[in-house]
Amino acid sequence: DAEITQSPRHKITETGRQVTLACHQTWNHNNMFWYRQDLGHGLRLIHYSYGVQDTNKGEVSDGYSVSRSNTEDLPLTLESAASSQTSVYFCASSETGDSEKLFFGSGTQLSVL
Amino acid sequence: AQKITQTQPGMFVQEKEAVTLDCTYDTSDPSYGLFWYKQPSSGEMIFLIYQGSYDQQNATEGRYSLNFQKARKSANLVISASQLGDSAMYFCAMREGAGGSYIPTFGRGTSLIVHP
Repeated sequence: DAEITQSPRHKITETGRQVTLACHQTWNHNNMFWYRQDLGHGLRLIHYSYGVQDTNKGEVSDGYSVSRSNTEDLPLTLESAASSQTSVYFCASSETGDSEKLFFGSGTQLSVL
Repeated sequence: AQKITQTQPGMFVQEKEAVTLDCTYDTSDPSYGLFWYKQPSSGEMIFLIYQGSYDQQNATEGRYSLNFQKARKSANLVISASQLGDSAMYFCAMREGAGGSYIPTFGRGTSLIVHP
């Protein structure tokens, strides 16, 4: 069965370190998204991609970057982790079409100490 | 301004009763879609229901229905015959624009607790 997987599920890091969160989907979806979830804020969009070599900034992109070298993967990099980036991170994908509902990964709990 | 507003941070309902979770949206795009997702305590995000802006009928999926009032820009989720397993966070979301070039935005969510 097709799926979208995130790794790691949990990560503890120190301020200033570079961290990369992986997202891999086997749906063959063109659209991929990274969100962060914080209490009281719902899900906020960090970066998104509509296809290979395409990346775009979302609402809260400062301090984050992504790259899309193939259809399946959209890794999220925290260039220099800050305590404000402690959050739950969700990757999602969708196919281009009518509803374009999102398929979500299981999330990564990131703690920056 | 927020594009998706969920005004109920928390809701309580008795088992087997119906409950309505409110969602209002803001867009000037004639083509848009509205979604509801469920997030149980385990953390995963589960798609529940979708309504397109041009759909004439309200969407239904089993016990879930979306009360779409276009003029009022509201897209309330109705859960009939609540079950204990319905206890979760519920997020309303919107995508604007035609397929393939849109940004899905989410509300802040409503926490639903179903009492036995």
